[in-house]
Amino acid sequence: DAGVTQSPTHLIKTRGQHVTLRCSPISGHKSVSWYQQVLGQGPQFIFQYYEKEERGRGNFPDRFSARQFPNYSSELNVNALLLGDSALYLCASSYRDRYEEYFGPGTRLTVT
Amino acid sequence: ELKVEQNPLFLSMQEGKNYTIYCNYSTTSDRLYWYRQDPGKSLESLFVLLSNGAVKQEGRLMASLDTKARLSTLHITAAVHDLSATYFCAVDPALGNEKLTFGTGTRLTIIP
Repeated sequence: DAGVTQSPTHLIKTRGQHVTLRCSPISGHKSVSWYQQVLGQGPQFIFQYYEKEERGRGNFPDRFSARQFPNYSSELNVNALLLGDSALYLCASSYRDRYEEYFGPGTRLTVT
Repeated sequence: ELKVEQNPLFLSMQEGKNYTIYCNYSTTSDRLYWYRQDPGKSLESLFVLLSNGAVKQEGRLMASLDTKARLSTLHITAAVHDLSATYFCAVDPALGNEKLTFGTGTRLTIIP
């Protein structure tokens, strides 16, 4: 079975631009969470969606938004990129809310 | 706000030695996870601990959970080079809107 997939793998953007990251969960999983991992730190929770509804939001500015589609895939959008947004963005899926999460390979975003 | 602390942050061990990584957290929880991360890679799930007194072992790694002390340990027995990685604990709080919160990570280097 395919694991969590994310696209793109790497991305380079300029300050002020917008970016969209995509995630496909494991088949049958209905919950998707997004995390930001800055180099040298642990992942930080950004959003969780379960059954297409937002179930949690971390301490991130409104420049960050996300949504989940009817097929349970998800997008993370970041507007007005800052240098500090450079990080590895991880998507994780789980069968239900508060079940074990399985992480995708991540998207490495570099903002110049 | 849930806080998760790991120590040590950095650990150099000789092959064949034993050591323990500690994970303390600040709020009630009965769900704790241990992950491994290799440089530039995503998170690999190692253990899921779901109750007080839970102990799980896989190869040279053993994890335990004491929910009363709000403490989990990851014990490494007879370390080998392949165990070199960064190890994270993550806590799922029992209540509220907070989601999975990660520790700062322990960067483990096994020296031949």
